Amino acid sequence: GQQVMQIPQYQHVQEGEDFTTYCNSSTTLSNIQWYKQRPGGHPVFLIQLVKSGEVKKQKRLTFQFGEAKKNSSLHITATQTTDVGTYFCAGRNSGGYQKVTFGTGTKLQVIP
Amino acid sequence: EAGVTQFPSHSVIEKGQTVTLRCDPISGHDNLYWYRRVMGKEIKFLLHFVKESKQDESGMPNNRFLAERTGGTYSTLKVQPAELEDSGVYFCASSRAPLGEQFFGPGTRLTVL
Repeated sequence: GQQVMQIPQYQHVQEGEDFTTYCNSSTTLSNIQWYKQRPGGHPVFLIQLVKSGEVKKQKRLTFQFGEAKKNSSLHITATQTTDVGTYFCAGRNSGGYQKVTFGTGTKLQVIP
Repeated sequence: EAGVTQFPSHSVIEKGQTVTLRCDPISGHDNLYWYRRVMGKEIKFLLHFVKESKQDESGMPNNRFLAERTGGTYSTLKVQPAELEDSGVYFCASSRAPLGEQFFGPGTRLTVL
């Protein structure tokens, strides 16, 4: 079945440093979504990417979808303590029933 | 617009007992999903309803788990009998479109002793 891996599993950064998490799928995706889960909270939708090579920005967050639609990345510039949480990608396989598979998640700690 | 609600927020039961979790999706959202997150690991898909029909239940671990969505509104997830490995946080999510943004509920933390 489809597998979606994320690296790194954990990341500690000093406040103000940049952070990147990578998402890799074993199969081609129709689209990919990113979610953020704060400690003790529930996943909250951040963005959806659909097109090959698509890049979207939200303030300090930059999301990319790979040309082959098998990988994606989330980059945070100048992290803040409010960025703390676990970031999940969620990919839907292409063709037929587009089942969603969540990535393994990257837990981000920001040291003030 | 009210968000997705789940009940209870916490449940502590003994092995062998039965527990029923409830999810109320956002009104008008035909798509309802159940997920489980164990020990802070990945969010594992359990199943997907479109209205009252099970679109995909390939993630249900075994026949001790039964999900229903009568009338296409709220959904229940029953675990009977519960085992230790069923402990975790059960999330429900809903979406208007099948490929769209999913709105997650606050989750039910299940502890099986």
